[in-house]
Amino acid sequence: EVQLVESGGGLVQPGGSLRLSCAASGLTFRTYSMTWVRQAPGKGLEWVSYINSGSNTIFYADSVKGRFTVSRDNAKNSLYLQLNSLRAEDTAVYYCATWGGNYWGQGTLVTVSS
Amino acid sequence: DIQMTQSPSTLSASVGDRVTITCRASLSISTWLAWYQQKPGKAPKLLIYKASSLESGVPSRFSGSGSGTEFTLTISSLQPDDFATYYCQQYNSYGTFGQGTKVEVK
Repeated sequence: EVQLVESGGGLVQPGGSLRLSCAASGLTFRTYSMTWVRQAPGKGLEWVSYINSGSNTIFYADSVKGRFTVSRDNAKNSLYLQLNSLRAEDTAVYYCATWGGNYWGQGTLVTVSS
Repeated sequence: DIQMTQSPSTLSASVGDRVTITCRASLSISTWLAWYQQKPGKAPKLLIYKASSLESGVPSRFSGSGSGTEFTLTISSLQPDDFATYYCQQYNSYGTFGQGTKVEVK
């Protein structure tokens, strides 16, 4: 069974940082491009970032460019999202997913508030 | 950047109804379009990929069509489990989502 399990969310003050992790199992992780998607409370889905299998192609949404950094460790079957300079509008559930959307994690909530 | 416009934003329907949701891209995306179903508190579930390909395990009452800039998701006979929010996503250039369509009980 394929599982993607996010962790690392929590409450952080504006301007603060967090590192989200996504642990993958049940799939050949190193062959999948991956993505982060977020959903603010009561709002729609927003694509955040993309990373290909070899980490040599990376894209970000304009709303997070320069503040968020995506990375992966294929040896550890893990995907990461470093969130810096956080703002209130970054408050959301953050999902990791395989690119193409067949597999999703359950999400981890990031709350940015003083 | 490619913008995705989904309509309607809310749709009221009854069990057994045929339901159609439309998604328009601001630029041609060929057939690089997916449709998702999301229920409250849950992750999205892939229904359709490459505009018209049914994901494994998804009931055949769901179908997708279109290419270029105009796309449609159709539910041929709405079932109780289908009341949810539906999103389109283009993956031709990055991964923009439409704003969502909530299918509610009429």
